Amino acid sequence: DTGVSQDPRHKITKRGQNVTFRCDPISEHNRLYWYRQTLGQGPEFLTYFQNEAQLEKSRLLSDRFSAERPKGSFSTLEIQRTEQGDSAMYLCASRGQFYGYTFGSGTRLTVV
Amino acid sequence: EDQVTQSPEALRLQEGESSSLNCSYTVSGLRGLFWYRQDPGKGPEFLFTLYSAGEEKEKERLKATLTKKESFLHITAPKPEDSATYLCAVQADSGGSNYKLTFGKGTLLTVNP
Repeated sequence: DTGVSQDPRHKITKRGQNVTFRCDPISEHNRLYWYRQTLGQGPEFLTYFQNEAQLEKSRLLSDRFSAERPKGSFSTLEIQRTEQGDSAMYLCASRGQFYGYTFGSGTRLTVV
Repeated sequence: EDQVTQSPEALRLQEGESSSLNCSYTVSGLRGLFWYRQDPGKGPEFLFTLYSAGEEKEKERLKATLTKKESFLHITAPKPEDSATYLCAVQADSGGSNYKLTFGKGTLLTVNP
């Protein structure tokens, strides 16, 4: 499968716990994006990497959120001290120089 | 700030009943307009990219068109398997931040047999 992979698919956590999600982009894509989608809304941009450099972060990305992309390969998104408002679908997308954006299936986070 | 508005929010059709979904947008400079299909619990699936007014693209029962202010997704003789949420997104040509997509809220399409 050469698509974008996200792990885990579902995560249930207690409020205050830390969670980490992983995204494996299409191997030849150097651009990687994280989006968040809540019920009935379109995806909202969180952050963008070109290779290993994080070039843009949305105002939605509070201090409790951190993202990394070591060596320009896979990426992780960590949420510290989760809150109920963090419950959402977290989507990863990758893009090469000549291709459109390809999204993964997402990680559904539920904070209880 | 870039804005994308999709209408209607929900659309229910009978199988074979053609219709159109609307996406109106406000951007400083359009680099590309994207249409995606999203099934429940899954990520968006790419359908089309349109780059300039007057451009049209087709795929099976779907046809996307673009003007300077809006895009339409025309669905001809839909089938129940076309039921999904259709998302419209724009990529703005705004200097250093011209990479991300700004999405509308989507149109939930239901096609009844």
